[in-house]
Amino acid sequence: QQQVKQSPQSLIVQKGGISIINCAYENTAFDYFPWYQQFPGKGPALLIAIRPDVSEKKEGRFTISFNKSAKQFSLHIMDSQPGDSATYFCAASIGTGGFKTIFGAGTRLFVKA
Amino acid sequence: DTEVTQTPKHLVMGMTNKKSLKCEQHMGHRAMYWYKQKAKKPPELMFVYSYEKLSINESVPSRFSPECPNSSLLNLHLHALQPEDSALYLCASSQDWAGGTEAFFGQGTRLTVV
Repeated sequence: QQQVKQSPQSLIVQKGGISIINCAYENTAFDYFPWYQQFPGKGPALLIAIRPDVSEKKEGRFTISFNKSAKQFSLHIMDSQPGDSATYFCAASIGTGGFKTIFGAGTRLFVKA
Repeated sequence: DTEVTQTPKHLVMGMTNKKSLKCEQHMGHRAMYWYKQKAKKPPELMFVYSYEKLSINESVPSRFSPECPNSSLLNLHLHALQPEDSALYLCASSQDWAGGTEAFFGQGTRLTVV
């Protein structure tokens, strides 16, 4: 019930294309859903985040779509660039009982020039 | 300043050594965390400190010993580690531990146990 399932495991997209990464969760107590971007040898960096009372959030080329009833959320990267090549982790955290972020397994994105 | 600074960046230690990892933040965050990340895996939570007190210990072996000397510093003391403990150790901080707040991660310490 604490898991966050992420797909696909890896993704190859042409430059200028749309990258889509999907996540699903089971625990309805999660109240914060961040996406992290991680480059090799670096720590994860927060990309964008959403709360369950919002269905969509857009920041530049990055958009989170959130479907509360289906318990699913996704990251869309528009106009994907080679510099976007990294590992992306979706995550979910619970507001009560102490901070605990559950990470998805990660998606390795490669954007071809 | 939105930076979490970790030292050292790389560490090689023998199984009988004692070493420490250090983490520092000056964002006024009152929650700090240690995560362990193996290659091609997501970060795994080890410890959570809230207001300088240990709040969560995710059943981590006693060869890992955390310490929070003050609200800006977090240490992880290592002793008698095993080769399987080799990983990227990440420190993070957030405004509070109640959830729903952004966590900032450091660059990590790449630990190799030989």
